[in-house]
Order: sequence, then structure tokens, then C-alpha cells
Amino acid sequence: DVKVTQSSRYLVKRTGEKVFLECVQDMDHENMFWYRQDPGLGLRLIYFSYDVKMKEKGDIPEGYSVSREKKERFSLILESASTNQTSMYLCASRSPSEGYTFGSGTRLTVV
Amino acid sequence: GQNIDQPTEMTATEGAIVQINCTYQTSGFNGLFWYQQHAGEAPTFLSYNVLDGLEEKGRFSSFLSRSKGYSYLLLKELQMKDSASYLCAVRDFYSSASKIIFGSGTRLSIRP
Repeated sequence: DVKVTQSSRYLVKRTGEKVFLECVQDMDHENMFWYRQDPGLGLRLIYFSYDVKMKEKGDIPEGYSVSREKKERFSLILESASTNQTSMYLCASRSPSEGYTFGSGTRLTVV
Repeated sequence: GQNIDQPTEMTATEGAIVQINCTYQTSGFNGLFWYQQHAGEAPTFLSYNVLDGLEEKGRFSSFLSRSKGYSYLLLKELQMKDSASYLCAVRDFYSSASKIIFGSGTRLSIRP
């Protein structure tokens, strides 16, 4: 089974801090994605990557950046955390013929 | 543009059957997914339809009509553990990496 691991289940950060959310997958998938999920808004795509060092903006990239230095690792960076970035963050990995496999999520609270 | 619509909430009785509908509009359709998400957990893959018709997998079935932009998820012999949100998602063919767009989800509550 594909395993997607997010480094933290819960995080609390202060406004203005730089925050790193890490995601690792173990199935050699080329495509990786970062979503945030908020009540009533569903899953919204922040950034995705289709190869090492390749990245593309999703629907809500403002305030975020990403890094894909190795195929198995896709990091989401909040340059200067704000309270409106309090959310559940979900990383996903995908093979060409299948849907996503999600990590267990990181619930980030910015105070 | 892309748009996915599904009901916000549904309630059903243990042992019964429930159908969750999803309609979509997309510039380049390339498959439809259903995911199950329990509260506080990540979504898990249920089904994938790319051709018209019904796909059956145990108690769950998913139907697709591409000409109507319509899908449904059918859950039979409902169990209490089926209480969860069900997410409809569409793969958009014309974007790089074929990104998947999610609906807001249908929260299904099962009563005894």
C-alpha cells in the first residue's frame, strides 16, 4: 500500500512565524499535492508538483510556497503565518491510473 | 470553469440504502472519484469512474453519466460506521498533472 506520511498531526504556531509542513511518500509517485480543508469550503488545492524541482500553483497559492528537492518529499512553506491560515492541511500522492492517497493531515493553528 | 455540486447533508437509517448525487461542470473531464472521510481523518479512496455506467464494489456502487455531467454513490445495507463525509472529485484533463477538483462533500448521518 502507498503510504503518505505527514510529519506532524497537530501544530500551533505564532503569527509571523515561518512554518514548514513536510510530506513523504514511499511509492515513487511523480505527482504530489498540497490541499487545505476548511468547513463549508471543501478541499482547495494550494500547490502541486509533477516532478522533482517542478511546481505549479493551485487555486489558492497566496501566502504559501513549496519545495520538491527529492521525488519522495514535498514540503509546504508558510512564509509568514497568519491566523487565516489556520486549517487542516492534507498532502496527497498519485499514480497515473489512480486517485489520490492522502496523508493523515496536519491541523495547524496560528495564534 | 469547474464546478462540482453535491448535497451538504443527508440522513439515512441503518440497514437501508442511500444515494448521494453529484453534478459537475469541467472543461476537460477525465474521470470521477468518490472518497470517504471520517471526522478528523484524511479522505480514503472509494471508487473511480471514467466510462459511463455502474461500478460495483461490495456494498458501494458508483454510477457515471458523462453526457449529463452526473454521478451518484450508492451505499447499501448501511452500517453505523458509514457515517462520514463523502467527497465527489473530478479530474480535469486540460490542466498539467491532471489535477483533481473536489466538491465540498456530503455529510451522511446514519441513525439506528
